[in-house]
Amino acid sequence: QVQLVESGGGVVQPGRSLRLSCAASGFTFSSYGMHWVRQAPGKGLEWVAVISYDGSNKYYADSVKGRFTISRDNSKNTLYLQMNSLRAEDTAVYYCAKDRADGTTLNDWGQGTLVTVSS
Amino acid sequence: DIQMTQSPSSLSASVGDRVTITCQASQDISNYLNWYQQKPGKAPKLLIYDASNLETGVPSRFSGSGSGTDFTFTISSLQPEDIATYYCQQYDNLPLFGQGTKLEIK
Repeated sequence: QVQLVESGGGVVQPGRSLRLSCAASGFTFSSYGMHWVRQAPGKGLEWVAVISYDGSNKYYADSVKGRFTISRDNSKNTLYLQMNSLRAEDTAVYYCAKDRADGTTLNDWGQGTLVTVSS
Repeated sequence: DIQMTQSPSSLSASVGDRVTITCQASQDISNYLNWYQQKPGKAPKLLIYDASNLETGVPSRFSGSGSGTDFTFTISSLQPEDIATYYCQQYDNLPLFGQGTKLEIK
């Protein structure tokens, strides 16, 4: 079965950087697009970024564009989110999710990793 | 940019009730809409894709309908395990979630 395990979360000061990882198993990772979605404490879901199956196409939410970078290593079955210039409003649980087929539907999710941006 | 308006923001119903949640898009998105369930402390789960298609393994009491700008999510007979927050998500362009509907048992 599909398994997605996020890691790399923690407490970080404003302005600093953090890299999240998502280890995938149970499916052919190199065949599917992947997403990052976040959820601030007590708030709703916010889509963050998507990357195509081969890494050639990447799209971002306006709130993170220019600060966050999504990437993947298909040889390691791992998805990444490099987060730079972090702000207090980036505090959230970050989920990685597998796309169904074409960047539109998130049909499998990890358990999430908490990022807290605080001085 | 497309805006999604989901209502109500919260809902209290009794076991066995029919529950309806709506999602309205600011412009025509055809059937490019999904519905997710998120139980407290858990990751979201896809229930309905392409407005009306039931994801594999999802109970048939869940259904979705609509196209264009107006969409409806229905639970035909509310069960205790359905307590969760439900989100719509459009994908006409990049994915965008609705604000969520928190469903509680009366």
